[in-house]
Amino acid sequence: GAVVSQHPSWVICKSGTSVKIECRSLDFQATTMFWYRQFPKQSLMLMATSNEGSKATYEQGVEKDKFLINHASLTLSTLTVTSAHPEDSSFYICSARFPGRYGYTFGSGTRLTVV
Amino acid sequence: QKEVEQDPGPLSVPEGAIVSLNCTYSNSAFQYFMWYRQYSRKGPELLMYTYSSGNKEDGRFTAQVDKSSKYISLFIRDSQPSDSATYLCAMSDAGKSTFGDGTTLTVKP
Repeated sequence: GAVVSQHPSWVICKSGTSVKIECRSLDFQATTMFWYRQFPKQSLMLMATSNEGSKATYEQGVEKDKFLINHASLTLSTLTVTSAHPEDSSFYICSARFPGRYGYTFGSGTRLTVV
Repeated sequence: QKEVEQDPGPLSVPEGAIVSLNCTYSNSAFQYFMWYRQYSRKGPELLMYTYSSGNKEDGRFTAQVDKSSKYISLFIRDSQPSDSATYLCAMSDAGKSTFGDGTTLTVKP
């Protein structure tokens, strides 16, 4: 079945460092992937749309220089949180649309804690 | 005003109860309606998908869409403790999906 694998599932980093989160589509090619941020007891906030071979499209208010997205292949998209600060601590989730299927397939999420 | 409003909950019901989860929306262009279930510290998983108005049943789950009222519902029959999760409604016009804020459901044994 359509699976989106996301790693790591949790990460703790020091303030000022960068963290990379990977999202892989298994068994299917995803030309488009989506990155979300979710705060406790709140819904998914779309951060950006990642397109294979081109620049990501960022939602209004999302700093593209802080949240670097790379979609280098049809099965891999990465989100790098640069110079992380405690306010970047959150749950980050990726998703992709499996061809011929409705809705989105989500990764298992990455809980980022910046200390 | 948000495009999608979801009954906030939280909701706590005894095992075996019928659960009703609801969302309203304002964008009449929405054609695709989805319900996702999200367990704690996990990504959402697609539960139900409906195109346009009507009902769709899958086991204990029934999704209803009333486009004239801009109202969608998810019913869970014979609720089980394993149904305890946050349920997110989502809708789209073939472009990006817009999500509700989620309703947290607890089914007590």
